[in-house]
Parts: sequence; C-alpha cells; structure tokens
Amino acid sequence: DADVTQTPRNRITKTGKRIMLECSQTKGHDRMYWYRQDPGLGLRLIYYSFDVKDINKGEISDGYSVSRQAQAKFSLSLESAIPNQTALYFCATSDGDGRRETQYFGPGTRLLVL
Amino acid sequence: GENVEQHPSTLSVQEGDSAVIKCTYSDSASNYFPWYKQELGKRPQLIIDIRSNVGEKKDQRIAVTLNKTAKHFSLHITETQPEDSAVYFCAASRGGSYIPTFGRGTSLIVHP
Repeated sequence: DADVTQTPRNRITKTGKRIMLECSQTKGHDRMYWYRQDPGLGLRLIYYSFDVKDINKGEISDGYSVSRQAQAKFSLSLESAIPNQTALYFCATSDGDGRRETQYFGPGTRLLVL
Repeated sequence: GENVEQHPSTLSVQEGDSAVIKCTYSDSASNYFPWYKQELGKRPQLIIDIRSNVGEKKDQRIAVTLNKTAKHFSLHITETQPEDSAVYFCAASRGGSYIPTFGRGTSLIVHP
C-alpha cells in the first residue's frame, strides 16, 4: 500500500539537543507538510514543500528547520529542543490532482522534551 | 491569513442522536472545506469535503453544509454510533493553494 511513514514514532530528548524527525512517502506526491498537534490547538502548519527545490514557512516555523532530500523524503529538525516543543508531530502529503486536496497524514511522532 | 473557528470543543451525545459541529472562516477567498476524523491514537483522515459551488454534500450518515454569505460550514452526523467517537477537524483553504488552515478540533463522544 502506498503510504506515509514517520520515524521515530516516539522520542524523548533533553533541552538543547538537536533532533531530526523523518518522513517518507510512497504515494508519489509532490506536496509535503509538517504539522504539530497540541491538545486544544488543532493542527498547526510548521513548514511545507511543493517540490524538491521549494521550502516554505508555515504558521509556526520558529525553532524548526526542514530539508527536502528527495520527492519522497521530508525531514524536520529541531536545532536546540525546548520543552514547549513537546507535541505530536505529523507529516502529510497532498496529491494535488485538482479534484480533491486531500491531506494524507503519517502515523505521527510523539516528542517529549525534558 | 485565514482563521478558522470551530465549536464546540467537546460534544457528548447518546447513541442514535445527531451531532453537529460548526466552523467559521475569515477569508472570503476560501473555497475548499474538508473535514478530517482522528480516532484515538490514529492519524487524521479525510471523511468529507465540499467546495464553495455546492451548498450541501452527503455521504451516508454524514453531511456538510456551507453558507458562503455567513462564512460558516457545518458537519452533521446522524444516527451516531460509538465508532463515531473521535476528534473532528474542519479546515478551509483557497482552492488550488493546497494550504489548509485547520480548526482546533471537536472531541465527539458517543455514549452507548
């Protein structure tokens, strides 16, 4: 099955550490996104990329960076993690076929920053 | 930018009752409105969407209505079942932008 996968699924780290979250997809979609989910705050967009050479900031990009290594891979980095970056992080892709603009989410990475 | 407000944040119903979740948006240029369902511990998944050239769309027990003038849209679930228990997110975007703005979510609890 074509899918969106994320690694790691769970991660505990300490304040000040650098951490990378990885996302891979076999859907063949050009558009990829990183969101964070916090209770009561919904899904907030961190960064998005519409092709390999395209990187755009979302609503809450401060403290994060991304890399689009290939059409199928989009990584999110926290250069110096802080406790308020504790959250559930989702990668997503979009097919952009013009009929629907469905977001296909990965399983999520639960991050705890101590 | 777009701002999407979603209410209520929590909704508790008895099995068989109807449930309604409401969203408002601020950008009059938004014309694509999807709804996602997130079961406990799972990823959000699209359940229904509507474009602004349509006032209502139905799919079995779920329906979405859109009022462009008032800039609000709603999700209606009839004959609720325990498996409908989940967090529901509305979203709005300008068609073709592929950048949705999500509401904060509604936790629907269906009591058997």
